[in-house]
Formats: sequence, structure tokens, C-alpha cells
Amino acid sequence: QVQLVQSGAEVQKPGASVKVSCKASGYKFIDYYVHWVRQAPGQGLEWMGWINPKTGDTYYAQKFQGRVTMTRDTSVSIVYMELSRLTSDDTAVFYCARDLLMGDVQGWFDPWGQGTLVTVSS
Amino acid sequence: AIQMTQSPSSLSASVGDRVTITCRASQGIRNDLGWYQQTPGKPPKLLIFGASKLESGVPSRFSGSGSGTDFTLTISNLQPEDFATYYCLQDYSYPYAFGQGTKVEIK
Repeated sequence: QVQLVQSGAEVQKPGASVKVSCKASGYKFIDYYVHWVRQAPGQGLEWMGWINPKTGDTYYAQKFQGRVTMTRDTSVSIVYMELSRLTSDDTAVFYCARDLLMGDVQGWFDPWGQGTLVTVSS
Repeated sequence: AIQMTQSPSSLSASVGDRVTITCRASQGIRNDLGWYQQTPGKPPKLLIFGASKLESGVPSRFSGSGSGTDFTLTISNLQPEDFATYYCLQDYSYPYAFGQGTKVEIK
């Protein structure tokens, strides 16, 4: 079945970086855009950007530009999201999510990864 | 950036009720809107895309409508598994933006 499996929880210190992985299975990896969404504890959802696994092209929300980097490794069907210069405000669950349909980027996310909790604490 | 405003922020309802959640965009977004359901500790689940298209496997008691700036998610005959938080998401322009969520609680 189509599945996204994310890496485990992380604890990082302020100022550090975190890199979260999202391994895809059950479909042709390069055919679907992957997005990243953040959810702070008890809060709503925030879209961060996308990566085109075929070309490596990315688009980042302005809020995260300069701090986020999305990459992929087509040999193992994994996309990565790295967030730098972490602060306590970055404590959140980070989700990867695939576009519903292949081809051009959409904003219809299905399926989602299980989420990765990143805690930023000194 | 387009702002998405959901209402109400929470509601109490009983099993079997009909529930309506609205989402208003700060500018027109055609029908570029989706609805997601999230239960605690789980990732969101896509219910509706393109404002009114039901995602495969989603029960037909869920329906979406609207275009432009005003959108509605309706749950008819509310079931126990429907108690959750619902989010709208506009994918008309960047940055994509979610509404703040509507929590549906048991009365």
C-alpha cells in the first residue's frame, strides 16, 4: 500500500539544525510531489513547502525561506526536510504528505506520514 | 497571503446530528479548497478536495460545497468516529494556508 514512514523523534538545542526523513513506498516515487506541514503542540497546521522528487525542485513558504531545505534521494525513495537555527518556537510535529494525484503540484495531501516530533530545548 | 477563517472554532453535537462547518477565504480562491479531519495523535486525513470532490473511501455523509470565498463542510448523521478537528486548506496560491480548525465534540 502507499505509505510514508518518517524518522523518529528528535531533541535539539536552540541554534541547532534537524533533518527529518520521509520514506515512500507503494508507488513510483518520482511521480508525486511531497509537501511538509508543521503542527506546534495543541495548535493548527502550517504548510512549509514542497519538493518535486523527479527534479529536486523546491518551493518554500516565505516564513521558512533561508532556514528550510528539502532534498530527496531517488535511489532509496526518501525525501528530507532540514530546518536550521532552531528556536523553542520550532517545537512541533512535522509531517510529510504526498500529493493525491501524479503530475503537477496540487494541495491535496494523501497520504501523510505518521509525523515526527521535534523538541527544541536547552 | 490569503487568510482562511473557519467557524465555529468548536461545536458540540450528538450522534445522528447534521453538522456544518464554514471556511471563508480573504480573497477568491475558485474551488481550490480541501477539507481534512484530524484525531488526536494522528496525521490529518483528506476528506474533500476541489471544494466538493469526495476522496476515495470517505463516507458519503461528508460533503463539501462552495466557490470563491465561502465554503462549507457538512457531516450528515454524525457518527462517533467523526468527533475530531477539521481543517480547511486553500491551494489556490502560495503560501498554501489552513484554517485554524474546528473541533467537533460530543454533546
